[in-house]
Amino acid sequence: QKEVEQNSGPLSVPEGAIASLNCTYSDRGSQSFFWYRQYSGKSPELIMSIYSNGDKEDGRFTAQLNKASQYVSLLIRDSQPSDSATYLCAVNAANFGNEKLTFGTGTRLTIIP
Amino acid sequence: GAVVSQHPSWVICKSGTSVKIECRSLDFQATTMFWYRQFPKQSLMLMATSNEGSKATYEQGVEKDKFLINHASLTLSTLTVTSAHPEDSSFYICSARVSDRGQHFGDGTRLSIL
Repeated sequence: QKEVEQNSGPLSVPEGAIASLNCTYSDRGSQSFFWYRQYSGKSPELIMSIYSNGDKEDGRFTAQLNKASQYVSLLIRDSQPSDSATYLCAVNAANFGNEKLTFGTGTRLTIIP
Repeated sequence: GAVVSQHPSWVICKSGTSVKIECRSLDFQATTMFWYRQFPKQSLMLMATSNEGSKATYEQGVEKDKFLINHASLTLSTLTVTSAHPEDSSFYICSARVSDRGQHFGDGTRLSIL
């Protein structure tokens, strides 16, 4: 079983709609969760972090965390063509002081104009 | 915001050459940096954790004698790919942890070994 799992996609969403990206993780003691956006040929860019259960909103982005279900998601409202990218879910290991991140394989998102 | 600078961005060289990649934290001190490798259409794979003033911690399966890491200061970590071969061609990316506990990445180095 992979430690961090994402649907590889591609996920196609019409412009202006809500894009929903999902991620599950296996380590129940994980503490920190991150969403990165990676354009083709570029390095990942941190767009959201979340540490406690519930929702966290930042502009058009909302991260949702449910530790009981070991599930974290990213919602993108009013999707724009510039949101087309691969979105990587990353999870920090449970041990305090262990700063390693485990990445999912990413979901490729395409916003259709 | 925090900036991680990586240099060079693109390297093409002959098989057997050693290549050094630099990773700098521009406006903050980074006691820990990370080196990743990413093959096309795959996710990032952590190669090693670079610790300032001490030896790097390598992930299982990564040859420490081939991928030399030096983290001599709080703002600079280097990765040297020794005697590179075509199978070492990949996208190498460094990152540093910032106070929000997330990692911020450099722009990456695309390495092509002929």
